[in-house]
Amino acid sequence: GNSVTQMEGPVTLSEEAFLTINCTYTATGYPSLFWYVQYPGEGLQLLLKATKADDKGSNKGFEATYRKETTSFHLEKGSVQVSDSAVYFCALTARNYQLIWGAGTKLIIKP
Amino acid sequence: EADIYQTPRYLVIGTGKKITLECSQTMGHDKMYWYQQDPGMELHLIHYSYGVNSTEKGDLSSESTVSRIRTEHFPLTLESARPSHTSQYLCASSELGGENTEAFFGQGTRLTVV
Repeated sequence: GNSVTQMEGPVTLSEEAFLTINCTYTATGYPSLFWYVQYPGEGLQLLLKATKADDKGSNKGFEATYRKETTSFHLEKGSVQVSDSAVYFCALTARNYQLIWGAGTKLIIKP
Repeated sequence: EADIYQTPRYLVIGTGKKITLECSQTMGHDKMYWYQQDPGMELHLIHYSYGVNSTEKGDLSSESTVSRIRTEHFPLTLESARPSHTSQYLCASSELGGENTEAFFGQGTRLTVV
């Protein structure tokens, strides 16, 4: 079946550090891939997405590349800020267009 | 900017009470969802709807019920609240078709049953 696996958190980094949050998936066909972010006390919002192999999604300094050969969609940012502290969710859309979610990774950035 | 609203944001209620969590969206989206989010942050789909008069159960069994009488409105009801229902509830909506479809979320309702 379809599934998404994210690295466990919390991930704790210092400000200006390089960030990688790993995400791998299992899916039939060619899913679209998403990263959503949930800031404290808020709902989720779309951070970036990629709809086909080798696409790169980017937004707010975050990037992720759709790698079909490794079934991965790792989230990266070159220099994190305290304001990036949040929970990050990797997701895909299955054939029936249902969103399949990873478990979420909490990111803590220390000044 | 997302136009999906949940009320109340926070609710503390006694065991056995009936409660309704409200969710409304002004984007004309056909598809709407309810998620339960546990303290570990994982999202569990409990209900969804494809449009008016359509309701489906999600992956996680829930004692709650939903209705979809109007496109913009998707309330969730618990007939008799219990402490095990304490959780964060998130409502979302999206356009009906396409695997690229983005989901828009409300700010959530944090429910505590005492």
